[in-house]
Amino acid sequence: DTGVSQNPRHKITKRGQNVTFRCDPISEHNRLYWYRQTLGQGPEFLTYFQNEAQLEKSRLLSDRFSAERPKGSFSTLEIQRTEQGDSAMYLCASSLGSGGGSYEQYFGPGTRLTVT
Amino acid sequence: QKEVEQDPGPLSVPEGAIVSLNCTYSNSAFQYFMWYRQYSRKGPELLMYTYSSGNKEDGRFTAQVDKSSKYISLFIRDSQPSDSATYLCAMTEPHGNNRLAFGKGNQVVVIP
Repeated sequence: DTGVSQNPRHKITKRGQNVTFRCDPISEHNRLYWYRQTLGQGPEFLTYFQNEAQLEKSRLLSDRFSAERPKGSFSTLEIQRTEQGDSAMYLCASSLGSGGGSYEQYFGPGTRLTVT
Repeated sequence: QKEVEQDPGPLSVPEGAIVSLNCTYSNSAFQYFMWYRQYSRKGPELLMYTYSSGNKEDGRFTAQVDKSSKYISLFIRDSQPSDSATYLCAMTEPHGNNRLAFGKGNQVVVIP
């Protein structure tokens, strides 16, 4: 069994560049979440997919951010024209789509983004 | 007021002591409560998951939920140096998107 995987683990980019992160959820999980965590804070919800449908986006997700989950499998999170304030750990989590297990979210190791 | 409050103050305890952590929350719709453990520069790992009020025990870990007071706790008995990590409380409403609302986390250091 493989858990949630994320790539890359670290990304350093210059301000103004675009970056893309990938998340591969646990195979039988059809819900996928993106969170952002800054130093000394808990993760904050960004967006959520049920299969391939993006069902909710947080107000934290500005127009520079876009997420996709083609075919309901892996997901990508793209940040365009990065800003220094985008520096954070980007976490992906997945869960079952229904039943009691749908409340148990399992996180990947995260992608740490540094914008210089 | 944040939905979930968790005093982030670091906590240092000697090996073998009981660690007591807690969170308060303001959203009475929260029904599912979790505790995550996060090691430095790693993703959060689900430790405990409880529904509504009551206690749940798993080995050295006990989670308590008091919905009337909007207060949840995590106890770690016989703490070990390997328990040194940040502990995050999280909670969610039933139905809907199940987004998790997190506290800031407590950094725990268990001293051998």
